[in-house]
Amino acid sequence: AQTVTQSQPEMSVQEAETVTLSCTYDTSESDYYLFWYKQPPSRQMILVIRQEAYKQQNATENRFSVNFQKAAKSFSLKISDSQLGDAAMYFCAYSGTYKYIFGTGTRLKVLA
Amino acid sequence: DAGVIQSPRHEVTEMGQEVTLRCKPISGHNSLFWYRQTMMRGLELLIYFNNNVPIDDSGMPEDRFSAKMPNASFSTLKIQPSEPRDSAVYFCASSLAMGYQETQYFGPGTRLLVL
Repeated sequence: AQTVTQSQPEMSVQEAETVTLSCTYDTSESDYYLFWYKQPPSRQMILVIRQEAYKQQNATENRFSVNFQKAAKSFSLKISDSQLGDAAMYFCAYSGTYKYIFGTGTRLKVLA
Repeated sequence: DAGVIQSPRHEVTEMGQEVTLRCKPISGHNSLFWYRQTMMRGLELLIYFNNNVPIDDSGMPEDRFSAKMPNASFSTLKIQPSEPRDSAVYFCASSLAMGYQETQYFGPGTRLLVL
């Protein structure tokens, strides 16, 4: 069965600094997708970035980028130039043939 | 374009009462998902529809829960009878096409409290 693990319940970063959130997953599938979602206090789930497993190039979206290591089954999110508005819960998600699975989340605090 | 719309945003009810949560997916999206989020269990997929047909309901916790999608623009999640342990935030999400590989767009959620 597929699993998604986020081992950091909480992280803190100073405003304007860089932070990396970790995510590992387990699957026997070769074709799948990985996502990072952000959930601010409003509870709205917002897609941050997505990565197709067949693509070797790491996805980037403005200040957000991923480090996708397929062999290691690792999918970390890097946030550069952190802003106060980045404070939220961040969920890693795996999407395969039969399941869409979310990790338990990492709460990111941004310190002014 | 309007995103996924959910109603009500908040619901407080007493144990034993029937609760109906509503969702309007993004126009043109063919797949619809219902999730439940709690502190203890995180975000759980309850049921998934494609073209109005339930495809995977393995996450529905028990017979007290039922979901319908009578047309492409409307879905309901019903709990009857409700119990305090059903208290959670319920999210609806939609995606453009069939398959879990598509990006899902979430509604704002319904916070349910069962007393």
